[in-house]
Amino acid sequence: QSALTQPASVSGSPGQSITISCTGTSSDVGTYNLVSWYQQQPGKAPKLMIYEVSKRPSGVSDRFSGSKSGNTASLTISGLQTDDEAAYYCCSYAGSSTFYLFGTGTKVTVL
Amino acid sequence: EVQLVESGGGLVQPGGSLRLSCAASGFTFSTYWMHWVRQAPGKGLVWVSRSNSDGSITSYADSVKGRFTISRDNAKNTLYLQMNSLRVEDTAVYYCVRVNTGAYHFDHWGQGTLVTVSS
Repeated sequence: QSALTQPASVSGSPGQSITISCTGTSSDVGTYNLVSWYQQQPGKAPKLMIYEVSKRPSGVSDRFSGSKSGNTASLTISGLQTDDEAAYYCCSYAGSSTFYLFGTGTKVTVL
Repeated sequence: EVQLVESGGGLVQPGGSLRLSCAASGFTFSTYWMHWVRQAPGKGLVWVSRSNSDGSITSYADSVKGRFTISRDNAKNTLYLQMNSLRVEDTAVYYCVRVNTGAYHFDHWGQGTLVTVSS
């Protein structure tokens, strides 16, 4: 099983909104509403930002939102801030053979 | 506060073995599924293995199946990853990760431990 497909980089100015896509297949993203998103600052461990497509853990800003359509999930960051600069990874449960697939990762740059 | 602290990483030759440990605190370790996720230098995240709460159910990525073994000691609040027949492509930071019961997302991560496989 291949990794889920994300754009390598996305950029935006402070205050703008950006959207990161995460494309899988009907065996993973398309079947399960079990997509999660992780933020990884340089040299740090990943941090959970979104789970079950659109739910936010306590403590995560409501500027982060998630959605899904068909085989593609999306993470939207609104009101972009400088400390949002990081790598973002999606992840989907993929059934009892493959288990979990991560995305290829997207580097977000705040201009 | 939930804490996951990995140890045991280091430099090992191809074909060698290494055992990683993850000491857990701040939560009832014996009630959670635990996973290992790795990240090669400059690359993305890859799921490696998982264990249910009592260690009776384990799963592995195809890339490590037959070479890696996940286990846990709930009396010591510790998760392990025994890695045998190591390959250069196993070089990565290995993260210990918690998953809540009934959930399918990784809610707490350790800081990671680096494993380097090189001659």
